Amino acid sequence: KAGVTQTPRYLIKTRGQQVTLSCSPISGHRSVSWYQQTPGQGLQFLFEYFSETQRNKGNFPGRFSGRQFSNSRSEMNVSTLELGDSALYLCASSTADRGFETQYFGPGTRLLVL
Amino acid sequence: KQEVTQIPAALSVPEGENLVLNCSFTDSAIYNLQWFRQDPGKGLTSLLLIQSSQREQTSGRLNASLDKSSGRSTLYIAASQPGDSATYLCAVRPNTGNQFYFGTGTSLTVIP
Repeated sequence: KAGVTQTPRYLIKTRGQQVTLSCSPISGHRSVSWYQQTPGQGLQFLFEYFSETQRNKGNFPGRFSGRQFSNSRSEMNVSTLELGDSALYLCASSTADRGFETQYFGPGTRLLVL
Repeated sequence: KQEVTQIPAALSVPEGENLVLNCSFTDSAIYNLQWFRQDPGKGLTSLLLIQSSQREQTSGRLNASLDKSSGRSTLYIAASQPGDSATYLCAVRPNTGNQFYFGTGTSLTVIP
């Protein structure tokens, strides 16, 4: 079974631009979560989507948004980029049956804002 | 808000040693706890998941324990190998919400 895939793997943007990142979960997984990882703050939860609905949201400004499609693929958008948005963005998928599910992470998208 | 701390932040050991990584969390109302490893520039690889009702989980040379009442988990690595060198993260899922609170990580170096 293919793992979680994220595209693109690397991205360079300038301040003020916007960016869209994509995540394809493991087949059969309906939950997709997004995390931001920075050296200073570590891994922080952005939001989770389940069946095309945002089910949970972390403490990030409204510039960070996301969506999920009917095939469970998810996109994350950051508008008006700031230097502090430079980070590794990870997505994770799970069956989210509230049973013994494990979260599986993708390789991440490394975003550099200049 | 759940706070997750990992000690030590960095660890360097000679090959073959047994070692213990520590994780502590402030709110014992957790659903489960998961240990991950992260190689430089890469994503996270799940190692072990412990449900709140369980005391420990084992996989190969890895053993993770959970003491929910005291807010602690340990990851025991037996007979360490250079390939074990990575950052190890513990993550706690609360009873409500499908998100993880991550610890700060322990950077492990196993010297050949």
